[in-house]
Amino acid sequence: ETGVTQTPRHLVMGMTNKKSLKCEQHLGHNAMYWYKQSAKKPLELMFVYSLEERVENNSVPSRFSPECPNSSHLFLHLHTLQPEDSALYLCASSQEGLSLYNEQFFGPGTRLTVL
Amino acid sequence: AQSVTQLDSHVSVSEGTPVLLRCNYSSSYSPSLFWYVQHPNKGLQLLLKYTSAATLVKGINGFEAEFKKSETSFHLTKPSAHMSDAAEYFCVVSQGAQKLVFGQGTRLTINP
Repeated sequence: ETGVTQTPRHLVMGMTNKKSLKCEQHLGHNAMYWYKQSAKKPLELMFVYSLEERVENNSVPSRFSPECPNSSHLFLHLHTLQPEDSALYLCASSQEGLSLYNEQFFGPGTRLTVL
Repeated sequence: AQSVTQLDSHVSVSEGTPVLLRCNYSSSYSPSLFWYVQHPNKGLQLLLKYTSAATLVKGINGFEAEFKKSETSFHLTKPSAHMSDAAEYFCVVSQGAQKLVFGQGTRLTINP
């Protein structure tokens, strides 16, 4: 595997379910991100982890819970979601510290549908 | 705070003709700017980035962009469109380390 991978690619869940999204980066990066991409809206940054510590949480509802057990893996735990949470969830990684403006590398995303 | 505005939500061109995707930015200091492309059911891929080294930036797949400070613009161009260029394109400004601000996106359609 190369780059940034995400599983599952598609997920359908009911509002009472609990599920998790997984992201893995094979680039040796030290920062990872979760984004939400909804139709007709710009990408929204949800969480940022740098060196496995959460450094950014853009006022995301508590029904979304991130976990970063090591620098290569990132999870997004989901519970009691709402239909408006249906979206494409993108994971990204970057190498921080070499410069301020390193690009982020994105995974293919998980298409989430909440019924 | 930094922001970007993509002036067209949809651009349609014929194969073999030039492509122009427009982006204006707002920044209180010298920005870093990016163009990303997203093909259907795929993640975002970096096309090119501007980090003040040169105002004309060349990217992958024949794309390039020119940073114009006087116009606060960073338009993306390609001399000759190919069918495989059909995708969504995002102009992005860096708001410091780890923070990217995305535009609304421009959907590029290529007509045969």
